[in-house]
Amino acid sequence: DQQVKQNSPSLSVQEGRISILNCDYTNSMFDYFLWYKKYPAEGPTFLISISSIKDKNEDGRFTVFLNKSAKHLSLHIVPSQPGDSAVYFCAASDLLRGADGLTFGKGTHLIIQP
Amino acid sequence: NAGVTQTPKFQVLKTGQSMTLQCAQDMNHEYMSWYRQDPGMGLRLIHYSVGAGITDQGEVPNGYNVSRSTTEDFPLRLLSAAPSQTSVYFCASRGTVQETQYFGPGTRLLVL
Repeated sequence: DQQVKQNSPSLSVQEGRISILNCDYTNSMFDYFLWYKKYPAEGPTFLISISSIKDKNEDGRFTVFLNKSAKHLSLHIVPSQPGDSAVYFCAASDLLRGADGLTFGKGTHLIIQP
Repeated sequence: NAGVTQTPKFQVLKTGQSMTLQCAQDMNHEYMSWYRQDPGMGLRLIHYSVGAGITDQGEVPNGYNVSRSTTEDFPLRLLSAAPSQTSVYFCASRGTVQETQYFGPGTRLLVL
């Protein structure tokens, strides 16, 4: 059973508009969440993270929101740029277990249209 | 600073052959891990290591062996390759528990 779910396999957004990528999780032990961006033929690169003690974290054009009661997080990209076209993975971990690695969602392919 | 490096970039194997996927990092990270990514799937953890001499299984460990004799290297061995192991393999490393994982560029493996 998937513990981290990204229900939209793809998302198309016009350049300059806001991109919103969603992620749901089921494991209440998760307390650290990350977004990774992946271009074809490259490894994932870290984008932004949030711990469960916060409900929002911003880094430039990227903001992650966490709703613990709903077990939901979202990544907002404003404004969207052509270089943002990539696959975005939501990932979660349990800091208590730490080294057990990350649990990933299946990814959302974001396409920024000119 | 090379970060996380993986070799080879691409490999074709016949069913039953064995091979080792290499992973090295130069960031003095204690934690290293191996993931595989299949079409339409997220990355799934195969094995991980919290330091030299210590390894443990992840979500999908069957058919793979690992060892960690040095901090820098974390090779992944396929003992007897099967078509189900056709995938893209990513190695990752991180420092402390709170730090993010850095991924290598991946090894594309095709098992015929």
